[in-house]
Amino acid sequence: DTEVTQTPKHLVMGMTNKKSLKCEQHMGHRAMYWYKQKAKKPPELMFVYSYEKLSINESVPSRFSPECPNSSLLNLHLHALQPEDSALYLCASSHGRTGIYEQYFGPGTRLTVT
Amino acid sequence: KQEVTQIPAALSVPEGENLVLNCSFTDSAIYNLQWFRQDPGKGLTSLLLIQSSQREQTSGRLNASLDKSSGRSTLYIAASQPGDSATYLCAVRRGSQGNLIFGKGTKLSVKP
Repeated sequence: DTEVTQTPKHLVMGMTNKKSLKCEQHMGHRAMYWYKQKAKKPPELMFVYSYEKLSINESVPSRFSPECPNSSLLNLHLHALQPEDSALYLCASSHGRTGIYEQYFGPGTRLTVT
Repeated sequence: KQEVTQIPAALSVPEGENLVLNCSFTDSAIYNLQWFRQDPGKGLTSLLLIQSSQREQTSGRLNASLDKSSGRSTLYIAASQPGDSATYLCAVRRGSQGNLIFGKGTKLSVKP
């Protein structure tokens, strides 16, 4: 099973809402990633977790809060977002965080902030 | 700073043609290079991964080559089909951190 799943597929939220994105993999991968992709742009790395610990935060605003409750699950908590945060949020995982491992991506969550 | 460039930005070909997509990167000190396919509004599907010690990888009608010294990779698609229509992204792995640096992609359209 080489699948990364993400829920929900679509999310519309107001600027005062609190919501969460969920990502799950059952490949035994120990590294998980959040990317943000704006329309017609390549994905941009937000966070990296390695062995359930945050190892990289690419200077992401605090209104995005990642969480890795266990090795299979990655959450992204959203609060007080801005309309410019509307994008496709992609989760990925790899066997390890070092450079040799292939990353597998989920289908993404399309987020619209109104 | 590693920069990844993909040329052309868009490509339209008739069905059945063989085609080449290009990817170049500025820093040759990469761990590996990964080619992805992305359908509109969807996630990324990994096509091929080439380690820095490898010259090429093949999967079905796809062949990817890597020339690390010149900072180039090509994705060759044989006998293109309308179902190949998508955006193709290349990404290089930056150092031991494992972060992917993406190009902006080539949008491919294969006409029946």
